[in-house]
Amino acid sequence: LAKTTQPISMDSYEGQEVNITCSHNNIATNDYITWYQQFPSQGPRFIIQGYKTKVTNEVASLFIPADRKSSTLSLPRVSLSDTAVYYCLVGRDLQTNAGKSTFGDGTTLTVKP
Amino acid sequence: EAGVTQSPTHLIKTRGQQATLRCSPISGHTSVYWYQQALGLGLQFLLWYDEGEERNRGNFPPRFSGRQFPNYSSELNVNALELEDSALYLCASSLIFRGETGELFFGEGSRLTVL
Repeated sequence: LAKTTQPISMDSYEGQEVNITCSHNNIATNDYITWYQQFPSQGPRFIIQGYKTKVTNEVASLFIPADRKSSTLSLPRVSLSDTAVYYCLVGRDLQTNAGKSTFGDGTTLTVKP
Repeated sequence: EAGVTQSPTHLIKTRGQQATLRCSPISGHTSVYWYQQALGLGLQFLLWYDEGEERNRGNFPPRFSGRQFPNYSSELNVNALELEDSALYLCASSLIFRGETGELFFGEGSRLTVL
């Protein structure tokens, strides 16, 4: 499973766009990039998944450059309720990588009024 | 449709005791994963069950064990509790299609406190 590196924390203000970058230099050809969001004392929830270029859903966008050695989760116009920990995972799928998918420490995003 | 449910929500035990945590996956999901999350830290993989079999295990001592029942619900047992076992224990389930795992759906977790 490719090792990922994310900033430990980020601060933002309501209404701003937030970009969280994840580095995964050892990503394999068949690996996907998946982001989860976790609120305090709750289980993480799936946000978005992508393989290359750009993926967008109703919650976020995921930008993946051609070399796929990094990816950026983009949250448009954040609100206070977006304050959470964001995890970046890289792997072909969680089944084959179960046991290595530790979720890391994630990025703690704090949105201020 | 009901999500992943875990019980109990909170559990307080003393050192040396045993704790049993339970998880019911989303209907139709055959895979159940257990994670440990100590306060302020990331999730550490514990166990993965699929179709009643233990498929993989994280780097935890043997006193962490579990099982999956025919209805795909699962139990996590922690024997000889230690203070550092205090954590949020999260269960997740997923659907496997064509051999690949879909997204994980997590429960709200069980908060275990060891005194």
